[in-house]
Amino acid sequence: EPEVTQTPSHQVTQMGQEVILRCVPISNHLYFYWYRQILGQKVEFLVSFYNNEISEKSEIFDDQFSVERPDGSNFTLKIRSTKLEDSAMYFCASRGYRAQNTEAFFGQGTRLTVV
Amino acid sequence: AQTVTQSQPEMSVQEAETVTLSCTYDTSENNYYLFWYKQPPSRQMILVIRQEAYKQQNATENRFSVNFQKAAKSFSLKISDSQLGDTAMYFCAHTGTASKLTFGTGTRLQVTL
Repeated sequence: EPEVTQTPSHQVTQMGQEVILRCVPISNHLYFYWYRQILGQKVEFLVSFYNNEISEKSEIFDDQFSVERPDGSNFTLKIRSTKLEDSAMYFCASRGYRAQNTEAFFGQGTRLTVV
Repeated sequence: AQTVTQSQPEMSVQEAETVTLSCTYDTSENNYYLFWYKQPPSRQMILVIRQEAYKQQNATENRFSVNFQKAAKSFSLKISDSQLGDTAMYFCAHTGTASKLTFGTGTRLQVTL
């Protein structure tokens, strides 16, 4: 069964450092997302990506965040200068062509710990 | 803006019993979709069931079913014959034309012997 793959599963980084979280969406999907879940809280939308550009982003997704799909398969989330409050579980998700009525498949998440 | 509200932070049910998790939402759109996701201790997000707003018939998936009340903007999840493996966080979610998912705060379900 196709699945969304995220690496690494756990990343520890020092405050102020840059991190890149990687995702390989399902191969024929066209819509890609990043979500964040701070421990014990709800899952929050960060950004959606379609046709090689951001289609929507939340207030959380400020200038410290960026996304790209460098090679047609990977979908990355970069945090330029990490802060303690960036510590969270980050989920990548992808959807097929008809975005609205299709299931969003989630990766297993990357736990980011900023120390 | 869409909002999703889950008013039950924690629920407990005995094995083999039935439990209902509540969810209400707010949206100005007519065409939207509702989902229940399960997040076990592994923290992976797993789709349990989905409902298209234009369908009056309630969705069912084996032991899982929903009670979709469009006028009341209510979307509850019923789990029948609860199993220990159902222990998890359950998130209600909404998506409209923007295609992003908006999640509720979750309900932690504990299934006991």
